[in-house]
Amino acid sequence: QKEVEQDPGPLSVPEGAIVSLNCTYSNSAFQYFMWYRQYSRKGPELLMYTYSSGNKEDGRFTAQVDKSSKYISLFIRDSQPSDSATYLCAMSGASGGSYIPTFGRGTSLIVHP
Amino acid sequence: ETGVTQSPTHLIKTRGQQVTLRCSSQSGHNTVSWYQQALGQGPQFIFQYYREEENGRGNFPPRFSGLQFPNYSSELNVNALELDDSALYLCASSLPGQGPDTQYFGPGTRLTVL
Repeated sequence: QKEVEQDPGPLSVPEGAIVSLNCTYSNSAFQYFMWYRQYSRKGPELLMYTYSSGNKEDGRFTAQVDKSSKYISLFIRDSQPSDSATYLCAMSGASGGSYIPTFGRGTSLIVHP
Repeated sequence: ETGVTQSPTHLIKTRGQQVTLRCSSQSGHNTVSWYQQALGQGPQFIFQYYREEENGRGNFPPRFSGLQFPNYSSELNVNALELDDSALYLCASSLPGQGPDTQYFGPGTRLTVL
């Protein structure tokens, strides 16, 4: 079993839909929970992160962490065609020197007009 | 765009050859990490350098090696290339002891091994 599991999709939705992306994990030591967006032929860019548990909102994006279930989610409201990309979840232990995330395999999202 | 650059953008090698990939870090960042991203997979950690010393290594064989220079640029060297080494190689620069929002990825080098 991989430390971080993520459904690769693809997930295809119409413009304006609410998108839900999810990951599960097995390592209880993870404290940082991140979501990255990766466009084709580009490096990942950090969308948002949460330390420990709880929710975090940034514009149209909301990240949720449920440590009791080892389950994290990213919600995208009012999705746009420009949101079409691969979304990678990633997790890390508490940084005490070196920050090294463990990534999921990514979910491909397609938002069609 | 981040301040992290990588070269070359693409390259093609044959099995058994050696390759060197280069990364220029974000200004002021003294930590660099290298990742391998196979097609359809997430990035996998290869190793990290801090102030020119290896500071952590993932599950990759010794034929994957690196260097970090005083100006914080870095190299990834892969010897005896195998077909499975075909992937996007990403470097990311960061500041030690900081959160994820200080780590920036470069655009990657796509390596094809024939």
